[in-house]
Amino acid sequence: KAGVTQTPRYLIKTRGQQVTLSCSPISGHRSVSWYQQTPGQGLQFLFEYFSETQRNKGNFPGRFSGRQFSNSRSEMNVSTLELGDSALYLCASSLTGTGYFSEQYFGPGTRLTVT
Amino acid sequence: AQTVTQSQPEMSVQEAETVTLSCTYDTSESDYYLFWYKQPPSRQMILVIRQEAYKQQNATENRFSVNFQKAAKSFSLKISDSQLGDAAMYFCAYRSDNAGNMLTFGGGTRLMVKP
Repeated sequence: KAGVTQTPRYLIKTRGQQVTLSCSPISGHRSVSWYQQTPGQGLQFLFEYFSETQRNKGNFPGRFSGRQFSNSRSEMNVSTLELGDSALYLCASSLTGTGYFSEQYFGPGTRLTVT
Repeated sequence: AQTVTQSQPEMSVQEAETVTLSCTYDTSESDYYLFWYKQPPSRQMILVIRQEAYKQQNATENRFSVNFQKAAKSFSLKISDSQLGDAAMYFCAYRSDNAGNMLTFGGGTRLMVKP
């Protein structure tokens, strides 16, 4: 099976712009989670989508949003970019997750640099 | 809210020796999962080992084992016969049994392996 893929792998944007990142989960996986990784704040949960519905949301401003499509692919959007949004954005997929253990598989990440 | 703390930002070990990485967590829940993830430089995060809170027996995966002390809320990772390929960032993570796939991560421990 192909692993979790994220596109693009690297991105440079300017303050004030918006950006969309994409994540394709492992075939058959219905849950997609997003994390932000920075040297200062570490790994922080952004949100999780399951069957096209947001199931959980982390403590991030409304500029961060996401969605999931019927094929389980997910996108996250950041509007009005700030310098502090520079980070590695990781996506993880799993079969389900609630009620019993379902391992999460992480993608390689998208490195976003805001200048 | 749950918190996960890794008190050792960096650790080093001689090849073939044993090293223990520490993790403590805080939660009021009784059912949860604990994980150790490995993130090699510029490579994807992978699951090393997991522990279900309801299991008293410590999890073991080949050279990796945990010491799970539920009352003390401690979850350490022991790596035996350390290899050069073990060099990476190691993250301890917590997942509630009723919050989907949301992971709460510790700050990470950078493990260096000396030949």
